[in-house]
Amino acid sequence: EAGVTQFPSHSVIEKGQTVTLRCDPISGHDNLYWYRRVMGKEIKFLLHFVKESKQDESGMPNNRFLAERTGGTYSTLKVQPAELEDSGVYFCASSQDMTKGTEAFFGQGTRLTVV
Amino acid sequence: GDSVTQMEGPVTLSEEAFLTINCTYTATGYPSLFWYVQYPGEGLQLLLKATKADDKGSNKGFEATYRKETTSFHLEKGSVQVSDSAVYFCALNSNQGGKLIFGQGTELSVKP
Repeated sequence: EAGVTQFPSHSVIEKGQTVTLRCDPISGHDNLYWYRRVMGKEIKFLLHFVKESKQDESGMPNNRFLAERTGGTYSTLKVQPAELEDSGVYFCASSQDMTKGTEAFFGQGTRLTVV
Repeated sequence: GDSVTQMEGPVTLSEEAFLTINCTYTATGYPSLFWYVQYPGEGLQLLLKATKADDKGSNKGFEATYRKETTSFHLEKGSVQVSDSAVYFCALNSNQGGKLIFGQGTELSVKP
């Protein structure tokens, strides 16, 4: 069974440019999450999809970030325009359900560097 | 709000040494607690979990016990190996919804 896949693995862009990150969850997982780790700090929650609907987007830092999950399969996270403070590792995770003890399966992450 | 605090790294140990990585939490209600591990070049993977007080999670020689009275979930291993070198993250989930709250991560380096 394929795990969670993220593209690209690395991205270096200039300030002001646009970047789109993609996440392919495990097949059949309705729940998809985006997280971000900045400069060795804690991993912070960004948002949660249930199928194609945004269940919780309380962690999205500002309106330069746009997440979509059309059709309830893969998801994209667009940053436009990118700022220096957006640099970090973006993780995607998926799970079968939303209960407290459920294991989340993570992708390898996308390392974004804004210069 | 909910939060997780881990001991800061990096932690450097010799092979076969005893490992403890401290983790304490603040949460409303009764959270589930997790340890995730990130090996070099890989994504996070679940190491172990505990869903209620006094539960002990264990996997690959690692253990952690859910201590409600001290709000802790310390990770321990009796004899570390070089292959245990990784970043370890303590996390909690206190609400239905699956959202995880992570600590800052502890980098472990085990030397032969």
